[in-house]
Amino acid sequence: NAGVTQTPKFQVLKTGQSMTLQCAQDMNHNSMYWYRQDPGMGLRLIYYSASEGTTDKGEVPNGYNVSRLNKREFSLRLESAAPSQTSVYFCASSQLSSYNSPLHFGNGTRLTVT
Amino acid sequence: AQTVTQSQPEMSVQEAETVTLSCTYDTSENNYYLFWYKQPPSRQMILVIRQEAYKQQNATENRFSVNFQKAAKSFSLKISDSQLGDTAMYFCAFIPWGANNLFFGTGTRLTVIP
Repeated sequence: NAGVTQTPKFQVLKTGQSMTLQCAQDMNHNSMYWYRQDPGMGLRLIYYSASEGTTDKGEVPNGYNVSRLNKREFSLRLESAAPSQTSVYFCASSQLSSYNSPLHFGNGTRLTVT
Repeated sequence: AQTVTQSQPEMSVQEAETVTLSCTYDTSENNYYLFWYKQPPSRQMILVIRQEAYKQQNATENRFSVNFQKAAKSFSLKISDSQLGDTAMYFCAFIPWGANNLFFGTGTRLTVIP
């Protein structure tokens, strides 16, 4: 019972490099989300996908792009990494919208941009 | 604007004792949901308990219960018979009905002392 799987677990990038964070869920959930967690700030929504084929901006989308590849997978791309993007990134999924069904989170990716 | 405030950055409790974590929120919405999530050292976010604002009865899940005061916009979490496995960061979260963005507080780090 894998739930939500994120890869990689850790990553170090230099400023200007690009990378894609991968997320997959095996619970047949419709909605998927990307959050970032910074010290003293809680989690903030970057992007979400309410269903396959749709994506929408969250609270802090600048510097990121997403792709809902299929119902299972939702990737987050940093085109040109900046030190301000050093954070822990969480992918989550829910059966319906996050207001009426609980979020299931992955274990997070710790990203450091130097 | 929606905000969630957790005024206790750190707390500790003796094993088997009871502890209450505080959370207040600010919103002009009348219908919304409130959550408590737990983040143990493994980093994965786990749903502890959920409360619908239209329900007057406080939610309970085994040793976890909430005190929901809608007029005061307060949503505290009580953990009874604390166990070592309860050691974690606890996040209060809020979402208006129909929205997709879950607003998180900054968290309370709880340590259960043997």
